[in-house]
Amino acid sequence: LAKTTQPISMDSYEGQEVNITCSHNNIATNDYITWYQQFPSQGPRFIIQGYKTKVTNEVASLFIPADRKSSTLSLPRVSLSDTAVYYCLVVDHNQGGKLIFGQGTELSVKP
Amino acid sequence: NAGVTQTPKFRILKIGQSMTLQCAQDMNHNYMYWYRQDPGMGLKLIYYSVGAGITDKGEVPNGYNVSRSTTEDFPLRLELAAPSQTSVYFCASSPGTAQPQHFGDGTRLSIL
Repeated sequence: LAKTTQPISMDSYEGQEVNITCSHNNIATNDYITWYQQFPSQGPRFIIQGYKTKVTNEVASLFIPADRKSSTLSLPRVSLSDTAVYYCLVVDHNQGGKLIFGQGTELSVKP
Repeated sequence: NAGVTQTPKFRILKIGQSMTLQCAQDMNHNYMYWYRQDPGMGLKLIYYSVGAGITDKGEVPNGYNVSRSTTEDFPLRLELAAPSQTSVYFCASSPGTAQPQHFGDGTRLSIL
């Protein structure tokens, strides 16, 4: 059965690169890994999605190793407005397509 | 476009009362989802729907019911409210199962 594990919290300073890793064992070969950002009192917002190697968009990069047992969300040059909770989401088709959200990583960016 | 709209934003219920949380989306998405998020925790899937007339249980369905009579609407019903159902409820929609979900801003529900 798939399970996800993320660090509970991380601290950073403005301008630094932040890498948040999600461990997810036992996901299927073609299943996507998706990352969301959530601010207080708001619903999660999609950041990036991929299923192998590296994906980059205007806000983040996603690195997925060949064994797909983890993925790393990379936020370049964070600012105070990146302070939020970040969740990974995987689909466990071994459980009939069950959606598995990570517990979330609370990122605090300091000036 | 409004995206995903949830009503009400806040509600206080007494134990044993019932209520319906409303969710509507205007993106013509086939998939819709209901999650609950307890303080400091991640999201847990309650129910989901892959299209009008089709619903299925998620990870924590007990105490809840759903219906999907139209593509746009996916209401969540609590029949006999219990304190354990105090939570923030999020509705989401997506074009397909592997595609990014769009979330509403949540309904904050307290049961006393």
